[in-house]
Amino acid sequence: GAGVSQTPSNKVTEKGKYVELRCDPISGHTALYWYRQSLGQGPEFLIYFQGTGAADDSGLPNDRFFAVRPEGSVSTLKIQRTERGDSAVYLCASSLIPAETQYFGPGTRLLVL
Amino acid sequence: AQSVTQLDSQVPVFEEAPVELRCNYSSSVSVYLFWYVQYPNQGLQLLLKYLSGSTLVKGINGFEAEFNKSQTSFHLRKPSVHISDTAEYFCAVRRGNQGGKLIFGQGTELSVKP
Repeated sequence: GAGVSQTPSNKVTEKGKYVELRCDPISGHTALYWYRQSLGQGPEFLIYFQGTGAADDSGLPNDRFFAVRPEGSVSTLKIQRTERGDSAVYLCASSLIPAETQYFGPGTRLLVL
Repeated sequence: AQSVTQLDSQVPVFEEAPVELRCNYSSSVSVYLFWYVQYPNQGLQLLLKYLSGSTLVKGINGFEAEFNKSQTSFHLRKPSVHISDTAEYFCAVRRGNQGGKLIFGQGTELSVKP
C-alpha cells in the first residue's frame, strides 16, 4: 500500500516568506508526527496529532511554526517569516495509534535564502 | 528528560566484517527503544524495536540489538556487513507511558568498504 507522502520534495524560499509543507499519512493512521532534521543531526520532534488535535506541540521552536490536521488525515506545517535557520529537512511520520511503529515519509527539504 | 547518545559519529568497516553501533540512553522511566536506518536520499526505515520481553531483538537485514537496562544501552550489531548496509543509523527512545514522540540520537554513519 501507499506510504507516507510529503509535498513538495524541495522548497526554496526567501527569508521572511511564508511556507506550507504538506503530509499525507498512511490511510487509517490516527497519529501523525512532524520532525525536523538539520544537516548532520538526528530528527528533532516538533509536534504530534492524535486525530485532529495536537496531543503534544512541545517541540515547536517558536510561534512562527504552526501545524493543522483539520480532518484527521492530511496535515500542513506552516512557517511564517522564514529565517535562514529554518533550513532543514522536515519529516512527517504516521502510526496506526500512538503506541505503534512510526512510518516516515521521504521529507521536504526546505532552503531559506 | 530523556536523551540518546550515539557514541560514534562514523564507523568505517570492511565488507563481511562484524560491526557494532553503540547507543546509550538516559531516562528516569521505562522506555521503548528503536533503531532506524536512513539510506542515501531515502526516508527513515525501522530496523528493529524493543518494547518488552527478551532483551535480544532481531530486526531486518540481519541486524540485532541487545537491551541492557543496567548499562542503559541498546547497541546494534551485525555479524557480517555488506556494501548495501552503507547508510546512516539512528537510535531513538520513546517513553513507555506516553504518546508517540521519539527522541533521536545524532546518528552513526556506517561506511562499508570492499
